[in-house]
Amino acid sequence: GAVVSQHPSRVICKSGTSVKIECRSLDFQATTMFWYRQFPKQSLMLMATSNEGSKATYEQGVEKDKFLINHASLTLSTLTVTSAHPEDSSFYICSASGGLDSTDTQYFGPGTRLTVL
Amino acid sequence: AQTVTQSQPEMSVQEAETVTLSCTYDTSESNYYLFWYKQPPSRQMILVIRQEAYKQQNATENRFSVNFQKAAKSFSLKISDSQLGDTAMYFCAFMKPYSGYALNFGKGTSLLVTP
Repeated sequence: GAVVSQHPSRVICKSGTSVKIECRSLDFQATTMFWYRQFPKQSLMLMATSNEGSKATYEQGVEKDKFLINHASLTLSTLTVTSAHPEDSSFYICSASGGLDSTDTQYFGPGTRLTVL
Repeated sequence: AQTVTQSQPEMSVQEAETVTLSCTYDTSESNYYLFWYKQPPSRQMILVIRQEAYKQQNATENRFSVNFQKAAKSFSLKISDSQLGDTAMYFCAFMKPYSGYALNFGKGTSLLVTP
């Protein structure tokens, strides 16, 4: 149980285009989903927290107009990178929690490698 | 703000041996959760073990166990009988005990298990 999927696993796009990444909880209802960014050989950096049906909360320094997050249902959250630029190239990881245990454990998707040319 | 420190950027251990990864944290909270996640080369984050701060008993999951010292704010991970598949990046993480709080990660320790 507690499986989170992410799609696509990797995407290459041209500078100026938008890219949408989907995060799905497959076997549980995710009341909260999180989006992280990870640079090579570094730790995960939280970008935003989203709760189903409400606006996402962005971390300081993360542009909300550039990284659009939608959490329309209890099993799906999307991250749209708008007008992507080469500096947006990174590994994006989502996680989901749904009160499955006493520690409210987060379960992670497999990540999406974004390359902007 | 909570900070999580992993002071060992890289470690190496031989197969079948035991290794301990260190983690310290700083918080003013009295109750919280601590986690160890593993990220193998596939980059999939995998939960290894978790600990609730109000529980004095150290968590154990098969070959993985923790040494939780609340007063010292220390949360080390012991891997017994190391296997080649344990080669990965290991992240220690802190979380406040309310739904919706994100994980606060350390910088990670890269563990290499050698034959």
